[in-house]
Amino acid sequence: NAGVTQTPKFQVLKTGQSMTLQCAQDMNHNSMYWYRQDPGMGLRLIYYSASEGTTDKGEVPNGYNVSRLNKREFSLRLESAAPSQTSVYFCASSEPGQGNSPLHFGNGTRLTVT
Amino acid sequence: SQKIEQNSEALNIQEGKTATLTCNYTNYSPAYLQWYRQDPGRGPVFLLLIRENEKEKRKERLKVTFDTTLKQSLFHITASQPADSATYLCALDEAAGNKLTFGGGTRVLVKP
Repeated sequence: NAGVTQTPKFQVLKTGQSMTLQCAQDMNHNSMYWYRQDPGMGLRLIYYSASEGTTDKGEVPNGYNVSRLNKREFSLRLESAAPSQTSVYFCASSEPGQGNSPLHFGNGTRLTVT
Repeated sequence: SQKIEQNSEALNIQEGKTATLTCNYTNYSPAYLQWYRQDPGRGPVFLLLIRENEKEKRKERLKVTFDTTLKQSLFHITASQPADSATYLCALDEAAGNKLTFGGGTRVLVKP
């Protein structure tokens, strides 16, 4: 089972460039999430999608947009990258719940913005 | 403001001993608390979930406690092995919708 697949694994951007991080899951989960992880800051929620067709902001949504393309895929777009967006980005999926559903994570995209 | 604290200093422990990690939170009233393991260069992997009305949960060599009065969870790895070396993250649910908020994690290094 592939689980949650993220592409690309690594990316270097110049300030102002745009890019889309891709995420797909094969577990038929309804809910999907984008987190960023920075040293000393832990994982912070950027956006999430409780079900196909819905998206909501998390703790740190500024500078990002998302698209829930279908049940399997949830993409994260940086329209104009900034050095502050240098981070490791993780996509996750779960069954919908009230904090009682484990998250299944991909292995991350390491993004550097120069 | 809401806060989840895990010891940011690495925990160095001898093989065979019990590692104990803490997760303290303020200004939350979580119904659930989850623990994850993260290896370098990988995404977090779910380990255990404990509900607010459960005092303790076990899975093999892992034990988690949840004290809603102290606003604290303890995570124990008994008979630790070098393969247990990793960073361990705790996470709480916020209001609804399974939006977990994570602590910063504690790195554990088990020495043979």
